[in-house]
Amino acid sequence: KAGVTQTPRYLIKTRGQQVTLSCSPISGHRSVSWYQQTPGQGLQFLFEYFSETQRNKGNFPGRFSGRQFSNSRSEMNVSTLELGDSALYLCASGTGIPPYNEQFFGPGTRLTVL
Amino acid sequence: AQTVTQSQPEMSVQEAETVTLSCTYDTSESDYYLFWYKQPPSRQMILVIRQEAYKQQNATENRFSVNFQKAAKSFSLKISDSQLGDAAMYFCAYNIPITQGGSEKLVFGKGTKLTVNP
Repeated sequence: KAGVTQTPRYLIKTRGQQVTLSCSPISGHRSVSWYQQTPGQGLQFLFEYFSETQRNKGNFPGRFSGRQFSNSRSEMNVSTLELGDSALYLCASGTGIPPYNEQFFGPGTRLTVL
Repeated sequence: AQTVTQSQPEMSVQEAETVTLSCTYDTSESDYYLFWYKQPPSRQMILVIRQEAYKQQNATENRFSVNFQKAAKSFSLKISDSQLGDAAMYFCAYNIPITQGGSEKLVFGKGTKLTVNP
């Protein structure tokens, strides 16, 4: 089985621009979660999508949004980029069905905001 | 709110020796999962081991084992016979099961950087 893929792997943007990151989960997985990783704040949960519905949301401003498509691929969008948005963005996929399933992480997208 | 604390920002160990990484957490839930993830320099997050709170038996995976103390809310990771490939950031994480009203959301600690010396 192919693993979780994220595109692009690296991205450089300037303040005020917007960006869209993509995550393709493992085949058969219906849950996709997004995390922001920074040296200062560590790993912070952004949101989780399951079967095209947002099931949980972290404490991030409305500039951060996401969606999930019928094929379970997910995108996250950040509008009006700020310098503090520079981070590694990780997505994780799982079946999303109880009782528990392992989440598999992608390699991440490194976003640099200048 | 659930929090996860890793009090050791950095640890080092000699190859073939044993090292223990500490983790404490705070929760009011009775049923939850705890995990240790490894993130090598490649940044690929890998699950090392998981523990279900209702199981009293400590989880083990080859050279990796945990010491789960539910009353103390402590969840330490022991790495035996350390290898150079074990060098990485290690994150402790917590999750409330979907069956308990949770989701796939993981709450992570700040991490411990493990160095393995040859």
